[in-house]
Amino acid sequence: AQKVTQAQTEISVVEKEDVTLDCVYETRDTTYYLFWYKQPPSGELVFLIRRNSFDEQNEISGRYSWNFQKSTSSFNFTITASQVVDSAVYFCALAKVLTGGGNKLTFGTGTQLKVEL
Amino acid sequence: KAGVTQTPRYLIKTRGQQVTLSCSPISGHRSVSWYQQTPGQGLQFLFEYFSETQRNKGNFPGRFSGRQFSNSRSEMNVSTLELGDSALYLCASSYGVTDTQYFGPGTRLTVL
Repeated sequence: AQKVTQAQTEISVVEKEDVTLDCVYETRDTTYYLFWYKQPPSGELVFLIRRNSFDEQNEISGRYSWNFQKSTSSFNFTITASQVVDSAVYFCALAKVLTGGGNKLTFGTGTQLKVEL
Repeated sequence: KAGVTQTPRYLIKTRGQQVTLSCSPISGHRSVSWYQQTPGQGLQFLFEYFSETQRNKGNFPGRFSGRQFSNSRSEMNVSTLELGDSALYLCASSYGVTDTQYFGPGTRLTVL
């Protein structure tokens, strides 16, 4: 069975602070995909990044960066110089390619990030 | 390209009624998945459709069903509504088997 753990339920920071959101996953598959989504109060899940299990290269996109480590089954997300607009719930997800085709996302419980002035 | 659209955005129903939710995927996307989000259970996979066929189904009772049309638009139906069905229902579309799923704004269903 697949599992995604986001141990941080809620994080509060002051604007311009750096913040790291943790994600630990469990899977027996050798091929899998990891994602981060952002959910603002409006409810829509906004795609942020995707990582394939065979690509451990870290990625930076503006103020966002991701650290993927297969050895520790972690896929952490760092926001540098946080802004109020970053306030949202962030979900880490694991995709399993199913035998019938298609894929299914298993989500963590989410981390509520609050960035205050 | 336009994103995933879902209608209606909000619904209020009473116990025992049935409801149909609609999802239009991103143009060119052939796979549509549905998820239920509740405070207690989080985000859970309902089912996935591809080329008008349900390929995968989550662990939900038979009251939850869906279908996909030839233009890839999808509907999900919940019959005999229960209070516990109150949730945000999210639809996601993707192009192929291992492609990223892009989500719509969701339909917030309240069962009274």
